[in-house]
Amino acid sequence: GAVVSQHPSRVICKSGTSVKIECRSLDFQATTMFWYRQFPKKSLMLMATSNEGSKATYEQGVEKDKFLINHASLTLSTLTVTSAHPEDSSFYICSATTPPGLGLNEQFFGPGTRLTVL
Amino acid sequence: GEDVEQSLFLSVREGDSSVINCTYTDSSSTYLYWYKQEPGAGLQLLTYIFSNMDMKQDQRLTVLLNKKDKHLSLRIADTQTGDSAIYFCAEREGDTGFQKLVFGTGTRLLVSP
Repeated sequence: GAVVSQHPSRVICKSGTSVKIECRSLDFQATTMFWYRQFPKKSLMLMATSNEGSKATYEQGVEKDKFLINHASLTLSTLTVTSAHPEDSSFYICSATTPPGLGLNEQFFGPGTRLTVL
Repeated sequence: GEDVEQSLFLSVREGDSSVINCTYTDSSSTYLYWYKQEPGAGLQLLTYIFSNMDMKQDQRLTVLLNKKDKHLSLRIADTQTGDSAIYFCAEREGDTGFQKLVFGTGTRLLVSP
């Protein structure tokens, strides 16, 4: 299957700093990428949907100014957690999919990034 | 909105069958999925079923779908210790074009030797 990478896999930062997480589709062009957040022992919650070349669509309750998403190319989307606080500590997972259409349109998931804000 | 519900935990012995259940919310979901998440990792698609099917078998995996009750199950035959992981069901919202997945709460499967 297609490969999606995330970088970094783990990051620890001080409160008030900003952290950028990269999501790359390595062997396919992803017109759409998704960003999820997963709390310990909880399900994945969709944060936003990112389409190449356009603004991201955020889910209800997700702060756009807090979680900046940039999908600058067909293989790269970034999530920046601005002015991070301890409550932003979580496991962030991205996924990528090929253009929408009929059929499965499988989402290929990255390995996740564990963010710890001290 | 309503949650996609799963039982939290399942413990089985190696060689037994495991059955993980899921109750989903959107009766118009066209595809329903089962994902596996190993510790500290992303999600791996295990299998999926189209909404006009009742059952799908893929090697050791059997998916059963009861649309009337909005109930989905995943049966793993001859469960191995390597199957220990968290299993998420997911439903695809809407029936055309853009894909948005809603995940269940996850079931932690522990397989003991």
